[in-house]
Amino acid sequence: KQEVTQIPAALSVPEGENLVLNCSFTDSAIYNLQWFRQDPGKGLTSLLLIQSSQREQTSGRLNASLDKSSGRSTLYIAASQPGDSATYLCAVRGGGSEKLVFGKGTKLTVNP
Amino acid sequence: EAGVVQSPRYKIIEKKQPVAFWCNPISGHNTLYWYLQNLGQGPELLIRYENEEAVDDSQLPKDRFSAERLKGVDSTLKIQPAELGDSAVYLCASSKGLAGGNEQFFGPGTRLTVL
Repeated sequence: KQEVTQIPAALSVPEGENLVLNCSFTDSAIYNLQWFRQDPGKGLTSLLLIQSSQREQTSGRLNASLDKSSGRSTLYIAASQPGDSATYLCAVRGGGSEKLVFGKGTKLTVNP
Repeated sequence: EAGVVQSPRYKIIEKKQPVAFWCNPISGHNTLYWYLQNLGQGPELLIRYENEEAVDDSQLPKDRFSAERLKGVDSTLKIQPAELGDSAVYLCASSKGLAGGNEQFFGPGTRLTVL
């Protein structure tokens, strides 16, 4: 059974800092990995999707990497801003399954 | 392009009452998902539809939960009767499937409170 773990559970940083969020998964036979952002009381916003054949994806100040063999992904946020404050969720889709398995998320607070 | 639409956004009911949630996916997305999200947890899949067919409902508590997607577009998720433990956020998502790399897009969710 696929399990996804996100560390740390919460992170507080000053504005302007570069930061890394971590995601690990137990079964490396994945189809893809998706990073989401969730604001309080809101749904999930898709940030980046990495297919199993890819090593990284970039969008603006965000860069996500994938190392399937070690079961790890990182989300790098450059020059953080208060507007980046949210919970970031990592989810993996297993090979042969449409189901996304989510981690519990990392709650990020960027202080002005 | 409109995103995934869900209604209502909030619902408060007493236990043992029925409740229904509605979802309209992104136009052209054949795959529709219902997820349950408890506080402090990631979403968990309840049911997945490919067009009007429920292809994965293994996590749906069928004694009280039901879902339908009659014309392969809108979907309704129902709970009858609701229990205190059903208080959670119910999220709907859609995807194009393989054509879109299976990227899933989520609606804002319905926050259910059962008293």
